[in-house]
Amino acid sequence: AQSVTQLGSHVSVSEGALVLLRCNYSSSVPPYLFWYVQYPNQGLQLLLKYTSAATLVKGINDFEAEFKKSETSFHLTKPSAHMSDAAEYFCAVSATGFQKLVFGTGTRLLVSP
Amino acid sequence: GAGVSQSPSNKVTEKGKDVELRCDPISGHTALYWYRQSLGQGLEFLIYFQGNSAPDKSGLPSDRFSAERTGGSVSTLTIQRTQQEDSAVYLCASSLGVAGGSTDTQYFGPGTRLTVL
Repeated sequence: AQSVTQLGSHVSVSEGALVLLRCNYSSSVPPYLFWYVQYPNQGLQLLLKYTSAATLVKGINDFEAEFKKSETSFHLTKPSAHMSDAAEYFCAVSATGFQKLVFGTGTRLLVSP
Repeated sequence: GAGVSQSPSNKVTEKGKDVELRCDPISGHTALYWYRQSLGQGLEFLIYFQGNSAPDKSGLPSDRFSAERTGGSVSTLTIQRTQQEDSAVYLCASSLGVAGGSTDTQYFGPGTRLTVL
């Protein structure tokens, strides 16, 4: 079975500061990992996904994530936060051969001026 | 191009009534998914359709929930005899459904917010 754990239900940063959102996974098979963002009253938008091609994955809006098998982690980072990054972020995992996504509980990112 | 659309955007119903939620996937997408987002349970998978294959219903919480997909396109999620715990945002997603593609990207609709009084 697959699962993900997101540490921190809320993360607060100042505009221009580094963003770090943590995700650890558990999987009995090599996982496929995803980060989605949800803006208020909207659906989920894919930021990036890990498909075993490269451990460092670059996504939209300067977000990136690094797959670390030894740490079972897939943390999301962005060098400099913008006010527009304030949203809820979800880490998700999918097992080979299955399509359903298993989501973490989400992390709300707050960005202050 | 057009994304995934869902209707209605909001639905308020009384306990015990049946409701139908609709999802229009992206044209050409053969895979369609329903998820539920609630405060207590987070984001949960409900059901998955892939082409003409039997759907994966493993996430449906009870036999009051059912879904169908007509003509390989539009899908309807039906909740019978609604309960207050069914209150949630119901999200639909679609993907190309590439064979063997667990990395297939799911595109989500804006959701239907269901409130059961």
